[in-house]
Amino acid sequence: DAKTTQPPSMDCAEGRAANLPCNHSTISGNEYVYWYRQIHSQGPQYIIHGLKNNETNEMASLIITEDRKSSTLILPHATLRDTAVYYCIVRPGGAGYALNFGKGTSLLVTP
Amino acid sequence: EPEVTQTPSHQVTQMGQEVILRCVPISNHLYFYWYRQILGQKVEFLVSFYNNEISEKSEIFDDQFSVERPDGSNFTLKIRSTKLEDSAMYFCASRRDTAYNEQFFGPGTRLTVL
Repeated sequence: DAKTTQPPSMDCAEGRAANLPCNHSTISGNEYVYWYRQIHSQGPQYIIHGLKNNETNEMASLIITEDRKSSTLILPHATLRDTAVYYCIVRPGGAGYALNFGKGTSLLVTP
Repeated sequence: EPEVTQTPSHQVTQMGQEVILRCVPISNHLYFYWYRQILGQKVEFLVSFYNNEISEKSEIFDDQFSVERPDGSNFTLKIRSTKLEDSAMYFCASRRDTAYNEQFFGPGTRLTVL
């Protein structure tokens, strides 16, 4: 699996955009970029995923560089409830593949 | 909105005892997973299950662990003889099929081995 590198922590003011970076320079052509988050000790929550195009859903946007070696998760208007650990995971999209969680980025949204 | 459920929320057991952790995946999902998270550490994959058999397992998933889908709705993780180091949050997850990439996680069962 491609290895990912994320900053251990970030802060963001409430209402501002939170931009969480991830480096995955060894990503293979069949590997997707997934983002999950874990609020306190709850079960991880899926946010978004992409292969090479930028993606947007109701929670976030995912920007993947053209060479696919890095990506950025954007929470457009962060709220206090977005305080969580955010995980960038690179895995093939096929059936049965497990998610390999790293240490992620601990995002603190402040009032 | 459908969700993965897990019971119990907290299980306390004595070392050496057997425990069974239960999960009810989302009803039309075909792939099932167990993960664990030791306090303060990262989430670790244990096992994936599809078509009534294990499709992938990690080094953690040794002979002390087993999984079963005893009926059409439940998915269980059994630990035969618990050790102190098995104390962790155990998360069940499910995924619909190969056309959908996201895994949906349950709230977890906190296992405490004394």
